[in-house]
Amino acid sequence: SQQGEEDPQALSIQEGENATMNCSYKTSINNLQWYRQNSGRGLVHLILIRSNEREKHSGRLRVTLDTSKKSSSLLITASRAADTASYFCATDDGGSARQLTFGSGTQLTVLP
Amino acid sequence: DGGITQSPKYLFRKEGQNVTLSCEQNLNHDAMYWYRQDPGQGLRLIYYSQIVNDFQKGDIAEGYSVSREKKESFPLTVTSAQKNPTAFYLCASRQGGGNEQFFGPGTRLTVL
Repeated sequence: SQQGEEDPQALSIQEGENATMNCSYKTSINNLQWYRQNSGRGLVHLILIRSNEREKHSGRLRVTLDTSKKSSSLLITASRAADTASYFCATDDGGSARQLTFGSGTQLTVLP
Repeated sequence: DGGITQSPKYLFRKEGQNVTLSCEQNLNHDAMYWYRQDPGQGLRLIYYSQIVNDFQKGDIAEGYSVSREKKESFPLTVTSAQKNPTAFYLCASRQGGGNEQFFGPGTRLTVL
């Protein structure tokens, strides 16, 4: 099965700055989702973008999707120390089982 | 409170022993999933179940077994055949027809 790649693996920024994370995948998708994981915890769903969408916003989050390049980006604006976490993209190929294939994640550290 | 619970939070076992990880959800979700996460990596799918009394192997099912006798419960057994079982195990569920997966808090298994 496909395995997404995320870039960068780690990102450290100052509070108030914007953070951009990128995700690439290998096969066609039905949708792409972003999840957040605080250290040692479960994942929390952030946002979903469908294959026929190019951009989506939710609060301070902006997601883009380029299916021709098989890539997506997650932008967090005006970051806060509480945004410190790992961020994962996950692709859904639309199969009956609705399996998600996760990327390797970006560890974001927001310094106060 | 609605959600997914996993127990125990930490689990230690000796080599050669089987161990069962619990996952319970009261969200009335049809589908449930088990993932394994190794340090600094993304999630890999072990098993999933779309309905009661039915389950399918994921990408890394060898050395694991599951059951789905009740809609709300999806226990995972890590058998002695699993060569490298030390990892963080995450359970998730999804509503039929939905896209988002809801995750439990995870169980950290350490083999001594």
